[in-house]
Amino acid sequence: QLQLQESGPGLVKPSETLSLTCTVSGASISIDNNYWGWIRQPPGKGLEWIASIYYSGSTYYNPSLESRVTISVDTSKNQFSLKLSSVTAADTAMYYCARIVTDGGYSDYDYWGQGTLVTVSS
Amino acid sequence: DIQMTQSPSSLSASVGDRVTITCRASQSISNFLNWYQQKPGKAPELLIFAASSLHRGVPSRFSGSGSGTDFTLTISSLQPEDFATYSCQHTYSTPPTFGQGTKVEIK
Repeated sequence: QLQLQESGPGLVKPSETLSLTCTVSGASISIDNNYWGWIRQPPGKGLEWIASIYYSGSTYYNPSLESRVTISVDTSKNQFSLKLSSVTAADTAMYYCARIVTDGGYSDYDYWGQGTLVTVSS
Repeated sequence: DIQMTQSPSSLSASVGDRVTITCRASQSISNFLNWYQQKPGKAPELLIFAASSLHRGVPSRFSGSGSGTDFTLTISSLQPEDFATYSCQHTYSTPPTFGQGTKVEIK
């Protein structure tokens, strides 16, 4: 059974960099047609896609965050990571990692981590 | 970005009711539309992909329809475990965006 687990600090100071890692277990991160993504949800609000990555290293970013976001993958550890720089209170959210399966142009976010709450505060 | 607008934002219903939630895209997205269920404190779970295809393990009382800009999620007979927030998502282009969610509450 595929499982994803987010890890990282729950509290980040304003202007600093938020760093999160998603550890994938139960399957290899290096499977064709499997992408890996980060999605966030501010308290009481809707979901926002942040970025996705393929095991080859191909990356895709939300234009609204692209200048501050870096997504990376470590296939040897079966992990992928997110860095979000210059954070503000608006970046306070539950951060989820997810598997994105692509087939015929469709993208299904079929497995999600439990989420990790990141609060931006001094 | 393509905007996804759901209606209603919340609804109250009883067990056994038929529930319909709509999602409208700001431009045509063909059938590149997913539906998710999210319970409090939990991650979203995929219900429907490609607008009308049921994800494995999802009960048949859930169904999706639509194409272009207008989509519908229907629960044919609401069960106690279905009280949750439902969100649509397009995957037609980058960035994929979500609707604001529809909260289904107990009447």
